Amino acid sequence: EAGVVQSPRYKIIEKKQPVAFWCNPISGHNTLYWYRQNLGQGPELLIRYENEEAVDDSQLPKDRFSAERLKGVDSTLKIQPAELGDSAVYLCASSRTWGNGETQYFGPGTRLLVL
Amino acid sequence: AQSVTQLGSHVSVSEGALVLLRCNYSSSVPPYLFWYVQYPNQGLQLLLKYTTGATLVKGINGFEAEFKKSETSFHLTKPSAHMSDAAEYFCAVSEGNTGNQFYFGTGTSLTVIP
Repeated sequence: EAGVVQSPRYKIIEKKQPVAFWCNPISGHNTLYWYRQNLGQGPELLIRYENEEAVDDSQLPKDRFSAERLKGVDSTLKIQPAELGDSAVYLCASSRTWGNGETQYFGPGTRLLVL
Repeated sequence: AQSVTQLGSHVSVSEGALVLLRCNYSSSVPPYLFWYVQYPNQGLQLLLKYTTGATLVKGINGFEAEFKKSETSFHLTKPSAHMSDAAEYFCAVSEGNTGNQFYFGTGTSLTVIP
């Protein structure tokens, strides 16, 4: 079974530029998560999707971040414009459902550096 | 509200020695507890999890953890460290009444000395 796929793996951009990250979850997983992991920290949730519906985006900085999950499968996270403080690893994860104790499976992440 | 504390941001052990990584949580209801490992430039991989039942949980690569409700702890152990265990380890908690919202600790970096 293929794992969570993310691209690109690395991205270097200048501040104020836009950037987008793509995620393909494990087949059959209805729930998709985007996390941000700052250096030396644990992941923090940005947004959660149930199929194509964003059901928890309370931690997403909506002035510059946006996300979509068309057809309830792949997802894209966008930052426009990027700021220096956005430098981090962006992790995508998926789980079968939102059920209690469900394991979340993580992709390798996209490491973003904003100059 | 849930929180996770991992005591010791860096732990060093000799190869063959016991590995003990500490995790304490706060939760108002019975929690679900997870340990993940992250190798350099990779995503998080599940080591083990506790949901219900037996409080001693065995995971991959010889790791195990014990849920101690009275101590609100879920410490990770391995009897004999191997060089390949060098990585970052994260403890996470979710509460049954909030679904699968994960809260992660800040991680413990494990170094194995040959």
